[in-house]
Amino acid sequence: AQKITQTQPGMFVQEKEAVTLDCTYDTSDQSYGLFWYKQPSSGEMIFLIYQGSYDEQNATEGRYSLNFQKARKSANLVISASQLGDSAMYFCAMREGFGNEKLTFGTGTRLTIIP
Amino acid sequence: ETGVTQTPRHLVMGMTNKKSLKCEQHLGHNAMYWYKQSAKKPLELMFVYNFKEQTENNSVPSRFSPECPNSSHLFLHLHTLQPEDSALYLCASSPRGEGLKEQYFGPGTRLTVT
Repeated sequence: AQKITQTQPGMFVQEKEAVTLDCTYDTSDQSYGLFWYKQPSSGEMIFLIYQGSYDEQNATEGRYSLNFQKARKSANLVISASQLGDSAMYFCAMREGFGNEKLTFGTGTRLTIIP
Repeated sequence: ETGVTQTPRHLVMGMTNKKSLKCEQHLGHNAMYWYKQSAKKPLELMFVYNFKEQTENNSVPSRFSPECPNSSHLFLHLHTLQPEDSALYLCASSPRGEGLKEQYFGPGTRLTVT
């Protein structure tokens, strides 16, 4: 079974609109972390936001927020007021267990912002 | 100096060649990683090093040979590769022992095996 599922291979969004990128995960661990990375065409993976499984509040970093719904095993990324520079691939990832460095990635969503 | 650097950025090699990919991190981290990113597939972890010791080998074929001489440098030695090994190879680093922390990635090496 897939550990990380991203069901949207591609999305087109008008500039300045908000966008939600979906991510569901599968784990039996109680302690885990969820990450979102952005990969522009240059190739580098850029860390955006992190949510720990014990964090009670949704993580926020500037225009990025993570809609964490633990019971549904969902960790959607919300980008507010999208910009042209947000066009990129977005990957959801999970680390299971405490102190485990291994990240499992989803297949990604290609986001295109339309001017 | 950017956090994680990788050289070369692009590499074309024949199946009989031997080449090496280099990764260097300037962040003072103790853990380093090699990932493979193929088209339309999730990023795959290949190797993990902690304090220069290999702690993870994700069933990677022996034609890929990692080397970590110190906590700042990581190499991936390549020999007798196959065309299906063409991919983007990403290096990452992270602080060790700080729980669930993010990994910092380099820009990758785009490898083409002919």
